[in-house]
Amino acid sequence: EAGVVQSPRYKIIEKKQPVAFWCNPISGHNTLYWYLQNLGQGPELLIRYENEEAVDDSQLPKDRFSAERLKGVDSTLKIQPAELGDSAVYLCASSLSGSSSEAFFGQGTRLTVV
Amino acid sequence: GENVEQHPSTLSVQEGDSAVIKCTYSDSASNYFPWYKQELGKGPQLIIDIRSNVGEKKDQRIAVTLNKTAKHFSLHITETQPEDSAVYFCAASSGGGADGLTFGKGTHLIIQP
Repeated sequence: EAGVVQSPRYKIIEKKQPVAFWCNPISGHNTLYWYLQNLGQGPELLIRYENEEAVDDSQLPKDRFSAERLKGVDSTLKIQPAELGDSAVYLCASSLSGSSSEAFFGQGTRLTVV
Repeated sequence: GENVEQHPSTLSVQEGDSAVIKCTYSDSASNYFPWYKQELGKGPQLIIDIRSNVGEKKDQRIAVTLNKTAKHFSLHITETQPEDSAVYFCAASSGGGADGLTFGKGTHLIIQP
């Protein structure tokens, strides 16, 4: 069974340019998360979706970050414009709905802003 | 909000010895405590978790203990092997599952041959 799939694996862009990341969760998982992982740190939640609804986006910097999950399956996370400080790994995870659910993570997209 | 502290940041042990990683949390409402292993270039992978109604849980060479009174939990790995080398993260949430996880900063475990 395929796990959480993210693309691209790596992305290098110049500052002020836009960038987008894509995530395909495990089939049947209603809950989808986007996490930010800075070097040497643990993941930090950016946004959580229940189906197509963003139910927790309190940590998403809305001035430059946006996300969508059309049809409640795949999701994209966009940054426009990117800043040097956005260089990090962006992780997508998914889980079944419910209080006893386990989160499964993708391999992440490593973003470098130069 | 929740704050999770993790120690040590780096741990080097001889192959075959035991390794212990400790975490403390601040929110007394937290009731779910997973541990993740992250290998280079990969996403975190759940290796064991414990809920607040249990004091200890074991799965082969790994075990987790929880002290709710002191608000700390620990990961124990026995008979360490080279493939145990990775970064380990503890996390806590009050939702009973993956929602609302707050992660520690990670421990880089190095197994010396």
